[in-house]
Amino acid sequence: KAGVTQTPRYLIKTRGQQVTLSCSPISGHRSVSWYQQTPGQGLQFLFEYFSETQRNKGNFPGRFSGRQFSNSRSEMNVSTLELGDSALYLCASSLTGGKTDTQYFGPGTRLTVL
Amino acid sequence: QKEVEQNSGPLSVPEGAIASLNCTYSDRGSQSFFWYRQYSGKSPELIMFIYSNGDKEDGRFTAQLNKASQYVSLLIRDSQPSDSATYLCAARFGDSGGGADGLTFGKGTHLIIQP
Repeated sequence: KAGVTQTPRYLIKTRGQQVTLSCSPISGHRSVSWYQQTPGQGLQFLFEYFSETQRNKGNFPGRFSGRQFSNSRSEMNVSTLELGDSALYLCASSLTGGKTDTQYFGPGTRLTVL
Repeated sequence: QKEVEQNSGPLSVPEGAIASLNCTYSDRGSQSFFWYRQYSGKSPELIMFIYSNGDKEDGRFTAQLNKASQYVSLLIRDSQPSDSATYLCAARFGDSGGGADGLTFGKGTHLIIQP
């Protein structure tokens, strides 16, 4: 079974621009979560989607948004980019996102904001 | 504040010895716990998960959970140089609606296995 895929793998943007990242979950997985990883803050939860609905949201500003499509693929968008948004953005999928469900991570998208 | 704490290390262990990684968490309502391994420049890779008190073994890895002490650990037996990586402890806390939050991660412990 193919793993979680994320595109693009690398992105360079300038402050004020917006960016859209894409994630395709493992086949059969219906829950997709997004995380931001930085050296200073570590891995932080952004949001979780299940059946096209946002089920949970982390403590990030409204510039960070996401959505999920009927085929479970997900996108996240960051508007008005700031230097501090430079990070590795990780997508993780699980079967249903239940309390004991295991999450499997994709390779990540490395975003650099100049 | 729901938090997961880990010693950042580095933790240096000789090859063939047992590596012991520890993690504490803040919320007694935590549902489940996960250990991920992350090599430099790569994404986290799931090693083990544990939900119930006690030990859970998988090959060279043993996860231990003590909910009364709010403590999770990972033991790696017969440590190999390829085990050198950052080990991330994660907890899934319950939310106010009866569901669960996203994973809350510790900052990770950097493990070095010395040949």
